[in-house]
Amino acid sequence: AQSVTQLDSQVPVFEEAPVELRCNYSSSVSVYLFWYVQYPNQGLQLLLKYLSGSTLVKGINGFEAEFNKSQTSFHLRKPSVHISDTAEYFCAALSGGYQKVTFGIGTKLQVIP
Amino acid sequence: NAGVTQTPKFRVLKTGQSMTLLCAQDMNHEYMYWYRQDPGMGLRLIHYSVGEGTTAKGEVPDGYNVSRLKKQNFLLGLESAAPSQTSVYFCASSLRTGGLSGANVLTFGAGSRLTVL
Repeated sequence: AQSVTQLDSQVPVFEEAPVELRCNYSSSVSVYLFWYVQYPNQGLQLLLKYLSGSTLVKGINGFEAEFNKSQTSFHLRKPSVHISDTAEYFCAALSGGYQKVTFGIGTKLQVIP
Repeated sequence: NAGVTQTPKFRVLKTGQSMTLLCAQDMNHEYMYWYRQDPGMGLRLIHYSVGEGTTAKGEVPDGYNVSRLKKQNFLLGLESAAPSQTSVYFCASSLRTGGLSGANVLTFGAGSRLTVL
């Protein structure tokens, strides 16, 4: 089974609408979880991370994610998207004795004007 | 600070040729990683290093070799390039992993696009 599963490969959404990008993790990875964003022709950059404590994590650019241990999920949300949010989003988790970071396959968010 | 710098940014090879991708970081990070990114497959770990002089295999190491002779540099080599190695390669580094100390936040380079004909 895939360690980090992103359920949607592409998500189209209209500008100013809310969006949720889904991520589930398996028991083979740790519960140190991350979301990264990749803008076109760039490297990845950190959006937010969950290490412990509050299950609702706030990140940059108005994004937030909720850690749900019972559902093994770490979904990313934004209440109102902008054109500039068009990018690919990757869910990730520490694995391999905390030395490695395992990524999901990515979700392309397309914001429609 | 430059962060993580990858060279070259673009390269075209013929099947069977060899080449080396260079990754340099100026953040004094202990851990360094090489990933490849392919459409529909996300990022897959090729090799990684947890310190100067150490390397380890990731999930797709075949056909690649690495070296970490200096803490700031991590080299990825292709001895005999194959069309299946056409990809975008990303280097990343991190200060440390595990625990509540910042747990392995990766800093990425801008990527190296390799085409093997």
